[in-house]
Amino acid sequence: GAGVSQSPSNKVTEKGKDVELRCDPISGHTALYWYRQSLGQGLEFLIYFQGNSAPDKSGLPSDRFSAERTGGSVSTLTIQRTQQEDSAVYLCASSLDKGTGNTIYFGEGSWLTVV
Amino acid sequence: AQSVTQLGSHVSVSEGALVLLRCNYSSSVPPYLFWYVQYPNQGLQLLLKYTSAATLVKGINGFEAEFKKSETSFHLTKPSAHMSDAAEYFCAVSERTGANNLFFGTGTRLTVIP
Repeated sequence: GAGVSQSPSNKVTEKGKDVELRCDPISGHTALYWYRQSLGQGLEFLIYFQGNSAPDKSGLPSDRFSAERTGGSVSTLTIQRTQQEDSAVYLCASSLDKGTGNTIYFGEGSWLTVV
Repeated sequence: AQSVTQLGSHVSVSEGALVLLRCNYSSSVPPYLFWYVQYPNQGLQLLLKYTSAATLVKGINGFEAEFKKSETSFHLTKPSAHMSDAAEYFCAVSERTGANNLFFGTGTRLTVIP
């Protein structure tokens, strides 16, 4: 597609359940990012994939969070044993190679509500 | 690590008035700087970015921003606000070397009063 595609757009889950959020980056973009946007918290970096390099996981808030990127394209963010504080919008983004200053393009996000 | 400060979580202006959204960064080496806009229930859209020697950057929708090294600032302006400008605006920085990762400010919500 023309832009970054995320699914689902909305997800309501019960506390303690696992959720998977999917991201399909712009074709040809080798860098992929996950951010979390919580009410009143701004945008928080979670994880960054660049090509075949080991991902930068420094932003993951706990070991309940993990992400993978298969075939250098689609990525899945998994949250295990969800907690109410995980409720947020999860934004995926992609950019061309790791050259700094490249524009990062964002998807419309997956709104997660944990009840 | 980079950090960005956006002064004012909420800014209200009258339609037709000047828009000024403030952004300051903390870095000894001038980073790359970006402004993104987020309309309700949408993702982030790039307004403009500073990556080169031109310190005055023009973006979409009539917005522009000026990089001032002496003030470590990158304030966003628009001469005349339009109702459609109502949105949340995020300033972000990335380092000139290393990972192309963005560090965001906490955002400023712009309200335009008719």
